[in-house]
Amino acid sequence: QVQLHESGPGLVRPSETLSLTCTVSGDSITTYYWNWIRQPAGKGLEWIGRMYSTGTTDYSPSLQSRVSMSLDTSKKQFSLRLSSVTAADTAVYYCARGPSALFDHWGQGTLVTVSS
Amino acid sequence: SYVLTQPPSVSVAPGQTARITCGGDKIRSKSVHWYQQKPGQAPVLVVYDDGDRPSGVPERFSGSSSGNTATLIISRVEDGDEADYYCQVWDSGSDPYVFGTGTKVTVL
Repeated sequence: QVQLHESGPGLVRPSETLSLTCTVSGDSITTYYWNWIRQPAGKGLEWIGRMYSTGTTDYSPSLQSRVSMSLDTSKKQFSLRLSSVTAADTAVYYCARGPSALFDHWGQGTLVTVSS
Repeated sequence: SYVLTQPPSVSVAPGQTARITCGGDKIRSKSVHWYQQKPGQAPVLVVYDDGDRPSGVPERFSGSSSGNTATLIISRVEDGDEADYYCQVWDSGSDPYVFGTGTKVTVL
């Protein structure tokens, strides 16, 4: 059974960098795309970006200038960094496995609040 | 970028059929996926590739697509089906993963 679990600080100061890690169990991290998706309170879902085990990344155009992702196959973890955060980046952040065009397994999500 | 439009809310009585639409330009040419999200929980894939169900999803969930509209159909609605539902497609444009605006299903 594939399981994903997000971890990281729940509070980030404005202008600083948000860093989250997703730990994968029950599956190999060397196949599939591994994605980050976020959801502001009471709003819809927004795809942030994805990474493949080869190192290939794709990012949402609206966030591309501030996003980076990395993957550690030995730890079965992949990570998100979002720089220069503002209150608009406050959201629940999900990691999700993606067999190409969809998301078939999701983490439980972690709330990140941007506030001083 | 590609836009998917859903009605904000749908209400249905228990035992009846709920139909949730997802509008997009020539959506029939794309594969549409549907997610169910209950309050405080992560989304769950309930239908993929227009009308297929992942293992473990009840047969009451089905989907169809035609022209500019895809539809998620929930038959014999139960109280536990009350949730937000999102459609999603992959688009070849610069923003490849597009989600619909979401529909809140209320069971009366």
